[in-house]
Amino acid sequence: DVKVTQSSRYLVKRTGEKVFLECVQDMDHENMFWYRQDPGLGLRLIYFSYDVKMKEKGDIPEGYSVSREKKERFSLILESASTNQTSMYLCASSLVSGSVRGNTQYFGPGTRLTVL
Amino acid sequence: GDSVTQMEGPVTLSEEAFLTINCTYTATGYPSLFWYVQYPGEGLQLLLKATKADDKGSNKGFEATYRKETTSFHLEKGSVQVSDSAVYFCALVRGSTLGRLYFGRGTQLTVWP
Repeated sequence: DVKVTQSSRYLVKRTGEKVFLECVQDMDHENMFWYRQDPGLGLRLIYFSYDVKMKEKGDIPEGYSVSREKKERFSLILESASTNQTSMYLCASSLVSGSVRGNTQYFGPGTRLTVL
Repeated sequence: GDSVTQMEGPVTLSEEAFLTINCTYTATGYPSLFWYVQYPGEGLQLLLKATKADDKGSNKGFEATYRKETTSFHLEKGSVQVSDSAVYFCALVRGSTLGRLYFGRGTQLTVWP
């Protein structure tokens, strides 16, 4: 079974802190994704990566950056956390797009981040 | 651009009732369509999928048929259980979009005994 793990289930940070959210997948997937989930807004894509050191902006990249130095690990960075970044953050991975099987995304359990 | 619209919740049903959650999409070409489910306190899990017109995805008693003529992928279950209480997300992906999924906003389902 595919396993996607996230470094923390719950995280509390203060405004202005630099925050790192880590995601690791164990199935050699090329694609990795970061979403945030807010009530009434569903899932919104922040960034995704289709290869090591490659990244693409999603719909809401402002205030975030990402790093993918190794294939299995995709980090989301909040350079200076703000209260409006309080949310549930979900990481996902998938095989290379273009194949039916490859289009399925596998999700981690999520990190609930609170910024005070 | 690509988008998914699903019925707003919350949906509240009694056990053994029939469930329909509507989902329509906008996309060029031939997307693949998905239903994901999120149980309380967990991440999303794939529930079912369909990759071409008239395909029917099914899993755990849930079904959805890919209707290209109506651009729809409605989720149905004949008899819901309390354990089906969750948030359901409809999503699409096109082969040309590097695998990114476009999600609907989710529908909260609560089933009472």
